[in-house]
Amino acid sequence: ILNVEQSPQSLHVQEGDSTNFTCSFPSSNFYALHWYRWETAKSPEALFVMTLNGDEKKKGRISATLNTKEGYSYLYIKGSQPEDSATYLCAYQGGKLIFGQGTELSVKP
Amino acid sequence: GAVVSQHPSRVICKSGTSVKIECRSLDFQATTMFWYRQFPKQSLMLMATSNEGSKATYEQGVEKDKFLINHASLTLSTLTVTSAHPEDSSFYICSARNHYRGMNTEAFFGQGTRLTVV
Repeated sequence: ILNVEQSPQSLHVQEGDSTNFTCSFPSSNFYALHWYRWETAKSPEALFVMTLNGDEKKKGRISATLNTKEGYSYLYIKGSQPEDSATYLCAYQGGKLIFGQGTELSVKP
Repeated sequence: GAVVSQHPSRVICKSGTSVKIECRSLDFQATTMFWYRQFPKQSLMLMATSNEGSKATYEQGVEKDKFLINHASLTLSTLTVTSAHPEDSSFYICSARNHYRGMNTEAFFGQGTRLTVV
């Protein structure tokens, strides 16, 4: 059974705080690691698709790193804003996409 | 970005009836679409992979006669929950990848369908 684990399950921060979440995944048969942002009442939206060990990607205040040898990825948000409030999903692609349970981020103004 | 449209967003049906959920890729051709189910506080669980012009591939434990999938065109896949029971109440969501852009590309999701069986 392939397991994708995300931590923490939920996170409450103040506006302006920087934060990070973890995604751990199997290190075998790896093709890619995906990160999605899922806002309430909307469709999940892709943030990053990462394939190479050591890869780092950035989109505005959000960045992600990837370690395929040890099977983890970090997502960082710098200077959190209320509009960053969402559930952040990671998904391991080893053929099919297998999702973690998500990290629910709440940013208070 | 590419758009995937899913309908309906919410449906309430009586126990024993069937419900059809549609998933359309609006601006790209999707040879493969994926159907997920989400239980409260849990991750998206892949139910089946829908292949255009051929039979769907179901994940272990998913009843193919219960969850009928049809992928008749490159832009439309449907999931029919047959003889629905209250335990089928859940959140169902579809996704598609634009395979013409390569294997390791993002998935585009529909808005999801909240099914309640009473």
